[in-house]
Amino acid sequence: EVQLVQSGAEVKRPGESLKISCSASGYNFRSYWIGWVRQLPGKGLEWIGIIYPRDSDTKYRPSFQGQVTISADTSISAAYLEWSSLKASDSGMYFCVREGRIFPDTDSWGQGTLVTVSS
Amino acid sequence: EIVLTQSPATLSLSPGERATLACRASEYVSSFLAWYQQKPGQPPRLLIYDASNRATGIPARFSGSGSGTDFTLTISSLEPEDFAVYYCHQRFVWPRTFGQGTKVEIK
Repeated sequence: EVQLVQSGAEVKRPGESLKISCSASGYNFRSYWIGWVRQLPGKGLEWIGIIYPRDSDTKYRPSFQGQVTISADTSISAAYLEWSSLKASDSGMYFCVREGRIFPDTDSWGQGTLVTVSS
Repeated sequence: EIVLTQSPATLSLSPGERATLACRASEYVSSFLAWYQQKPGQPPRLLIYDASNRATGIPARFSGSGSGTDFTLTISSLEPEDFAVYYCHQRFVWPRTFGQGTKVEIK
């Protein structure tokens, strides 16, 4: 069974850095795209970016390019989303998502990490 | 990027009624269209994958259809637990995109 377990909620101040994690199990981590989806309070879902751990090929939604960094560590089957300087507008829920392939190999989601940025 | 437009924005129905949700893509997405259900404080739950395949554990009252640019999610008879927000999602091209959501509320 595919499982994605995300790190816990974070409270940060504007300008601080942050790296949240997603620990994967139950499948070949190197061979599936894994990425991050943001949900702002009371709003819809939007992809941030995605990485292929085998070769670290990474794609970002244009609006997030340069704002965040996505990485993966194949030795421990973990994916990361990192900010170097948080803004209040980064506050929201962040989900990691492993993309599926052909049915029944479907997408899997983590439980979400709540990030709060406030002075 | 491909824009997914869901309609209606809100659907007010009673338990036992049929719900029909639409998702239109601004460009061709083949059958790479999924439907998710989300309740407050929970991650999205996959209902339908690749347009018409019910995900594991999803009741038969949920069905999906369509291909190309027009897709439909049908809930044949609403149960109390089905009142939630529903999103469509395309994985045909990057960036992947979601629709803005349809809220199914109790009338």
